Amino acid sequence: DSGVTQTPKHLITATGQRVTLRCSPRSGDLSVYWYQQSLDQGLQFLIQYYNGEERAKGNILERFSAQQFPDLHSELNLSSLELGDSALYFCASSMDRAWDEQYFGPGTRLTVT
Amino acid sequence: DQQVKQNSPSLSVQEGRISILNCDYTNSMFDYFLWYKKYPAEGPTFLISISSIKDKNEDGRFTVFLNKSAKHLSLHIVPSQPGDSAVYFCAASANADGLTFGKGTHLIIQP
Repeated sequence: DSGVTQTPKHLITATGQRVTLRCSPRSGDLSVYWYQQSLDQGLQFLIQYYNGEERAKGNILERFSAQQFPDLHSELNLSSLELGDSALYFCASSMDRAWDEQYFGPGTRLTVT
Repeated sequence: DQQVKQNSPSLSVQEGRISILNCDYTNSMFDYFLWYKKYPAEGPTFLISISSIKDKNEDGRFTVFLNKSAKHLSLHIVPSQPGDSAVYFCAASANADGLTFGKGTHLIIQP
């Protein structure tokens, strides 16, 4: 158990819908990262927040947005969902802004039908 | 354009022998490299990293080698153990501005 929690574990929704994925980092960690793992694209970095501020941005679509709240939990919002958005979404956390020592959550499996 | 490539989708190694996983990159701006391990139905786990100012970093059974001129890095695991069977991802960062991953290599340790 990494100490990072993600909810929900599974999510099934229809095209065009909007969903919110939630992540609670390990106690004391200030950075939260979001990743997408799909069959054809592999593991992709989406976005990083550090202490509430956006720190780095990867291959995140405009239909997706994220935020980190004062209590340090984070939400990833996916809208106008397409079939290709079906993937595993991982959240990770670390104490500071460094890439080392990231602890990953178990992931949320999103299925868009 | 795939900037980080792991050309071997799978690798089978006998228990006790050395496992060598390879990774090539094209972006000369990458200055930090990491390896992650992933078991099925779990999130990835950070294994080891190396800065571009070094050519080797060692942590127990795991050693990462970086050849900047060849834009190549490798992860050596010795001796290989059954618990090392997993998918290994190579990742690279430029100026701490995001991470780019390879597609992974499935390592199978045979008894």
